Amino acid sequence: DAEITQSPRHKITETGRQVTLACHQTWNHNNMFWYRQDLGHGLRLIHYSYGVQDTNKGEVSDGYSVSRSNTEDLPLTLESAASSQTSVYFCASSAGQGIVEAFFGQGTRLTVV
Amino acid sequence: LAKTTQPISMDSYEGQEVNITCSHNNIATNDYITWYQQFPSQGPRFIIQGYKTKVTNEVASLFIPADRKSSTLSLPRVSLSDTAVYYCLVGDKNTGTASKLTFGTGTRLQVTL
Repeated sequence: DAEITQSPRHKITETGRQVTLACHQTWNHNNMFWYRQDLGHGLRLIHYSYGVQDTNKGEVSDGYSVSRSNTEDLPLTLESAASSQTSVYFCASSAGQGIVEAFFGQGTRLTVV
Repeated sequence: LAKTTQPISMDSYEGQEVNITCSHNNIATNDYITWYQQFPSQGPRFIIQGYKTKVTNEVASLFIPADRKSSTLSLPRVSLSDTAVYYCLVGDKNTGTASKLTFGTGTRLQVTL
């Protein structure tokens, strides 16, 4: 069965370190997304990609970057981790670009100390 | 992207029918109404989508009046396992940007015995 997986599931890192969260999907979807979820804020879009070599900023992109070198993967990099980036991160993929059915990973809980 | 308004939280007893209403006064002609469900410690999952009148699947029903300015997600005979956050999204499913896959804070449904 097709799936979308995130790794690691939990990570603790120190302020200032570079961190990369992995997202891998086997749906063969062109569209992939990264969100963060914090109490009181719901899900907020960080970056998204409509295909290989395409990346776009979402509403909370400062301090984050993504790259899309193949269809399956969209890694999220925190260039210099800050305590404000402590959050739960979700990756998703979809076949369409509008309000369609998207499939989410299980999430990565990141703690920056 | 049409702005949506839904209750912050709702409580229900097991076995009751739960109706969650979403207001979307500025819905556009091409917009669809989509609901996602998020269980604790999991990513959201798509549950239902509709354009007008009524849509029903194995999980829920979606009622959309003729003016489409609101919609109601109906969960029949809820169980404890329906405790989750429910998100209402409104937007064009055929075109657009990933910003349309934007989640608000949703409605937190708590089901008790």
